[in-house]
Amino acid sequence: AAGVIQSPRHLIKEKRETATLKCYPIPRHDTVYWYQQGPGQDPQFLISFYEKMQSDKGSIPDRFSAQQFSDYHSELNMSSLELGDSALYFCASSLGTYQETQYFGPGTRLLVL
Amino acid sequence: GENVEQHPSTLSVQEGDSAVIKCTYSDSASNYFPWYKQELGKGPQLIIDIRSNVGEKKDQRIAVTLNKTAKHFSLHITETQPEDSAVYFCAPHGGGSYIPTFGRGTSLIVHP
Repeated sequence: AAGVIQSPRHLIKEKRETATLKCYPIPRHDTVYWYQQGPGQDPQFLISFYEKMQSDKGSIPDRFSAQQFSDYHSELNMSSLELGDSALYFCASSLGTYQETQYFGPGTRLLVL
Repeated sequence: GENVEQHPSTLSVQEGDSAVIKCTYSDSASNYFPWYKQELGKGPQLIIDIRSNVGEKKDQRIAVTLNKTAKHFSLHITETQPEDSAVYFCAPHGGGSYIPTFGRGTSLIVHP
């Protein structure tokens, strides 16, 4: 079965640079979620989109923005990167939102030097 | 918001033993209770879930039990195998919310 695809899988950036992470949900899934997971931490919810509209917002820094496109893929844009942004970034998708199972992608490992 | 506590933080068992991980939540309106398994360097993978109208669900060696009165649910793994070694997260969805609150995770180590 098709899974959530994330690209790139690994990314190295310098401080103050920008980064764009991409997420391709499972076919027919209309909802995308972004999470950040620091070393040894649990995933922290950043933002979600349902039918191309932002549906909920968590602890996403103002330096980050995201959007969902007409084909339901999503991009997380990160600017003015800081050392503390180094983490695993996961995208998850679901069909609908309420009580729906979220399926996670393999993640993008971002390292900021 | 939802407060979630997960215990134990580390669990070490011998192959073939059973393992139980407990998750306590605070929102009495929570209605969806998934468990995720995360292997090193990979994304969390759903292994089992239960909804609020069911008390227990089983899938081969894995089961989840829910006690809504006490506001906790538990993951049970029987006949553990080395490949069960991973970090397990509970992530209940609060009432009216589709955003899960993750527990701090339990590192399960199964010794051959």
